[in-house]
Amino acid sequence: QKEVEQNSGPLSVPEGAIASLNCTYSDRGSQSFFWYRQYSGKSPELIMFIYSNGDKEDGRFTAQLNKASQYVSLLIRDSQPSDSATYLCAVKGAWGAGSYQLTFGKGTKLSVIP
Amino acid sequence: EAQVTQNPRYLITVTGKKLTVTCSQNMNHEYMSWYRQDPGLGLRQIYYSMNVEVTDKGDVPEGYKVSRKEKRNFPLILESPSPNQTSLYFCASSLTPPQTSGRAENTGELFFGEGSRLTVL
Repeated sequence: QKEVEQNSGPLSVPEGAIASLNCTYSDRGSQSFFWYRQYSGKSPELIMFIYSNGDKEDGRFTAQLNKASQYVSLLIRDSQPSDSATYLCAVKGAWGAGSYQLTFGKGTKLSVIP
Repeated sequence: EAQVTQNPRYLITVTGKKLTVTCSQNMNHEYMSWYRQDPGLGLRQIYYSMNVEVTDKGDVPEGYKVSRKEKRNFPLILESPSPNQTSLYFCASSLTPPQTSGRAENTGELFFGEGSRLTVL
């Protein structure tokens, strides 16, 4: 059974600070990793995608991947109150039918305090 | 406007009364999927479809059926709903299945519908 683990939070950070969200996964062969943002009462939306070890930056967001440690993180710089949401980590399976499925973590709730 | 449309958005029903939640996408996506989201359990995949007439079970398929007769539609059928199927349901689609690729069009980005909140009494 593939597992994707996230701290449920809530994670509270002051406005302007860096928010750091973490995710670990159990399937060592996983290849692709996604971060989705979900506002309360809304559907998830993709904010970052990464498949190579290292960092990937997009505006205020940086995704970091370490396959050896089976760890992926999301950094949000200059956090804004509008970043307050639940962040879902998702992992694509590596083998066979699993390669067509995304397994989601339970999400980390982020609260940015003005 | 590119979108995934689910109906109904809200439904209260009773145990055993068959219901169908429709899902339609207008982006010509090959891949479609159904998820349920429950507090403390996160998003769990029910069924997915690689293309027309090709469907497969996700992690929690029990009590559900799907069909993919047309590329744009992927209905979720609850033949005999039970209270443990009370949940928030999301339909999602992507151009292709999630793949390992740096090309933006092949990220396998899932586009989600607005969700259907189902209560089974």
